[in-house]
Amino acid sequence: GAGVSQSPSNKVTEKGKDVELRCDPISGHTALYWYRQRLGQGLEFLIYFQGNSAPDKSGLPSDRFSAERTGESVSTLTIQRTQQEDSAVYLCASSLFPGSDTEAFFGQGTRLTVV
Amino acid sequence: RKEVEQDPGPFNVPEGATVAFNCTYSNSASQSFFWYRQDCRKEPKLLMSVYSSGNEDGRFTAQLNRASQYISLLIRDSKLSDSATYLCVVSINTGGFKTIFGAGTRLFVKA
Repeated sequence: GAGVSQSPSNKVTEKGKDVELRCDPISGHTALYWYRQRLGQGLEFLIYFQGNSAPDKSGLPSDRFSAERTGESVSTLTIQRTQQEDSAVYLCASSLFPGSDTEAFFGQGTRLTVV
Repeated sequence: RKEVEQDPGPFNVPEGATVAFNCTYSNSASQSFFWYRQDCRKEPKLLMSVYSSGNEDGRFTAQLNRASQYISLLIRDSKLSDSATYLCVVSINTGGFKTIFGAGTRLFVKA
C-alpha cells in the first residue's frame, strides 16, 4: 500500500526492556512526526524530522526516548528501560514537504503495553 | 500554556442537532489550520482545512479568527456517524513548519 506503515502493530514488553518502533513514511514525504497517545487522551508531540535538518526533539519526555531517521526514509523510535507509563499508542505521520498547508497522513500506530 | 487548546468534552447531542467546537492557539507564527477527525482506536485523518474567509464542506463549517487566535468547527444536522474525536491542528512556522495537534474534543451523537 501507499500509506504510512508502522511496525509492530502491537508490542508487549516487560518493564525495563528496550523497544524499537518502526515507521515507513509515504515515499517522497520529507516531514515525519512521532506522537504518543495514551488511552483516552489526546496526541502528545514527541519529535519532528524535516528533510536533512536537525530534528525537533522538544517533545521527547525523557532521555530514555530517542528517534532516528535516515534521509527521507524509515524512522525508528527507541524507548530504553521501558516503564509502565510508557504504555500508549505511538503514532507516526508524514507529510509531502514541510510547507504550512500540507496534510499529515498517519500510520495505524504501534500499541505498546509495558507489563 | 498549551499551544493548541480545546474543550475536551464530551459533547453528547441528539441526531439532527447542531454542535460547535472551539479551539484557541497561542503561537502567532501559526500559519495554517485544520480539523482532523479520529475515530475510536483509529488514526487521525484530515477532515478539512480552515481558511481565513471561512469554508464549508457539506454539513461542516470551519472558521478562523486570526486576531483572536481562535478556530471553530460547526456541524449541522448531526449524524450518528459523526461520533468521533475532533482534533484542532495548527501548522507553525519554525523555520520549517511544525504541526501541532490539540488534545481533541469528543462528540457522541445519539439516536
